[in-house]
Amino acid sequence: AQKVTQAQTEISVVEKEDVTLDCVYETRDTTYYLFWYKQPPSGELVFLIRRNSFDEQNEISGRYSWNFQKSTSSFNFTITASQVVDSAVYFCALRQVSGAGSYQLTFGKGTKLSVIP
Amino acid sequence: DSGVTQTPKHLITATGQRVTLRCSPRSGDLSVYWYQQSLDQGLQFLIQYYNGEERAKGNILERFSAQQFPDLHSELNLSSLELGDSALYFCASSDRDRPSPLHFGNGTRLTVT
Repeated sequence: AQKVTQAQTEISVVEKEDVTLDCVYETRDTTYYLFWYKQPPSGELVFLIRRNSFDEQNEISGRYSWNFQKSTSSFNFTITASQVVDSAVYFCALRQVSGAGSYQLTFGKGTKLSVIP
Repeated sequence: DSGVTQTPKHLITATGQRVTLRCSPRSGDLSVYWYQQSLDQGLQFLIQYYNGEERAKGNILERFSAQQFPDLHSELNLSSLELGDSALYFCASSDRDRPSPLHFGNGTRLTVT
């Protein structure tokens, strides 16, 4: 069975601080995909990034960066110089490729990030 | 804007009633997924359709059903509603049946009183 754990339920930081959101996953598959989604207070789910299990290269997109480490089954997300607009709930998710041909996402419980001005 | 349209945005109904939630996927997407988000359970996968056929079932109650129509829009039917069914229901779509990102609609907030 697949599982995604986001141990940090809530995090508060002061604006301009860096913050890292942790994600640990469990899967028996050798091929899988990992995702991060953002859910701002307005409620929609916004796709941020997808990584496949064969690509451990870290990725940077503006103030966002992601660290994928297969050895520790972690896919952590760092926001540099946080801003108030980053306040949201962030979800890490795992998507299997093998099996019955279905590719549904398994989500973590989410981490609520509050950026204080 | 994800391109996935969900209606209505809000629904308030009483216990025992039946409601229908509607979803139009992004243009070209053949897969539709339904998720339920509640405070205690988080985001739970309910069901997936691919090009009109059911592909996978998750934690979907027997009181709930869904279908995907030839024009690829999908409906989620919730019947004999209980207070515990109050939640945010998301629809998502993806292209073909591959592990591309799911693009989510804005959700339908269901309140059962």
